[in-house]
Amino acid sequence: AQSVTQPDIHITVSEGASLELRCNYSYGATPYLFWYVQSPGQGLQLLLKYFSGDTLVQGIKGFEAEFKRSQSSFNLRKPSVHWSDAAEYFCAVGLLSGGYQKVTFGIGTKLQVIP
Amino acid sequence: GAVVSQHPSWVICKSGTSVKIECRSLDFQATTMFWYRQFPKQSLMLMATSNEGSKATYEQGVEKDKFLINHASLTLSTLTVTSAHPEDSSFYICSARDRAKEYQETQYFGPGTRLLVL
Repeated sequence: AQSVTQPDIHITVSEGASLELRCNYSYGATPYLFWYVQSPGQGLQLLLKYFSGDTLVQGIKGFEAEFKRSQSSFNLRKPSVHWSDAAEYFCAVGLLSGGYQKVTFGIGTKLQVIP
Repeated sequence: GAVVSQHPSWVICKSGTSVKIECRSLDFQATTMFWYRQFPKQSLMLMATSNEGSKATYEQGVEKDKFLINHASLTLSTLTVTSAHPEDSSFYICSARDRAKEYQETQYFGPGTRLLVL
């Protein structure tokens, strides 16, 4: 079964600093990979996704993620964090099963941005 | 585009009552919708997959008689928590796949429904 590990439960960064959120997955083949953001009181919003092709994926809000097969990783990055980026971030992997995709989420990383 | 709504956004009920949560795709049709449950400080756990016009597929450990799912139209799926108990208190989130863009394998999430059972 696929699994997703987000080793950092909570991260604090200064506004303007760079950010990297880690994500490792366990799956026999290359899965579909996603990053979602959840702001308080709101639903999950898709930041970016990787299915195939270029391993560096650009997303919304200035985020990017790089798929590294050798490390089974899909880390999320942003060069300069804004206060509005404070939220919880979920890495997810998708596995096609029965004609649709079943998504498994990581435990999430809560990002705090300080002035 | 690709907006999913949930109603109600929060609900408080007495133990033993049943609660229905609606999930609607507002600007697209969804043959497949998903129901998740999120406990505090934990990730989303898939409960079941709802397919329009057919029975839902439940994940292991999820009681189908406890959590009734109906996907009667291409824009609406409902989750009914029957005879709710305090341990059912949680944050329930639905998602939907755009029928016209299923190849994109993207799920659009609703804002969630917070259920508190007293």
